[in-house]
Amino acid sequence: GEDVEQSLFLSVREGDSSVINCTYTDSSSTYLYWYKQEPGAGLQLLTYIFSNMDMKQDQRLTVLLNKKDKHLSLRIADTQTGDSAIYFCAERGSSASKIIFGSGTRLSIRP
Amino acid sequence: DAGVIQSPRHEVTEMGQEVTLRCKPISGHNSLFWYRQTMMRGLELLIYFNNNVPIDDSGMPEDRFSAKMPNASFSTLKIQPSEPRDSAVYFCASSFSGTRSYNEQFFGPGTRLTVL
Repeated sequence: GEDVEQSLFLSVREGDSSVINCTYTDSSSTYLYWYKQEPGAGLQLLTYIFSNMDMKQDQRLTVLLNKKDKHLSLRIADTQTGDSAIYFCAERGSSASKIIFGSGTRLSIRP
Repeated sequence: DAGVIQSPRHEVTEMGQEVTLRCKPISGHNSLFWYRQTMMRGLELLIYFNNNVPIDDSGMPEDRFSAKMPNASFSTLKIQPSEPRDSAVYFCASSFSGTRSYNEQFFGPGTRLTVL
């Protein structure tokens, strides 16, 4: 079946890079996503990558996709206090509409 | 556009009472999703609709939960009777779904439900 796994917590020092990792099971995934949830709010799409790409860069964000290992990562360069949030990895499954979300990684920033 | 609108934002009720959560999706979107988020179980998909038709309700926990989408601009999630373990944040999300689209889901602000 479809499943997305990610670690629950990550703590980094302000100014360092954060790397959040995710694994998924559906080899037919077409799109993979990173959503961000700030306290008291709903999830917001941060970035996505199409399955025929290996990497996507958008300002401080870098997404790496390893289809062979079904591994997705999100790197945030120069992590700031405003990056504190829960980050959800997600994949578009066999249904065109449904997105499978991971459990979320809570990123905390220490001074 | 105002985004996905949910009401109420907070609901406190007593065990056994009926609870109705409401959602207005973004105009033009053809898919609507109901999620539940708790510390213990994370984000769970309860049910989703395509073109107002329920497609997958396998995430609905029990018969106490029901959802309707009478038209493209309105959906409800009802819990009857409510129990303390239903306490959670309930999110509604909508998207324009197509096979060639990346299908971004837009989330509402959530309804925080507390059942005493």
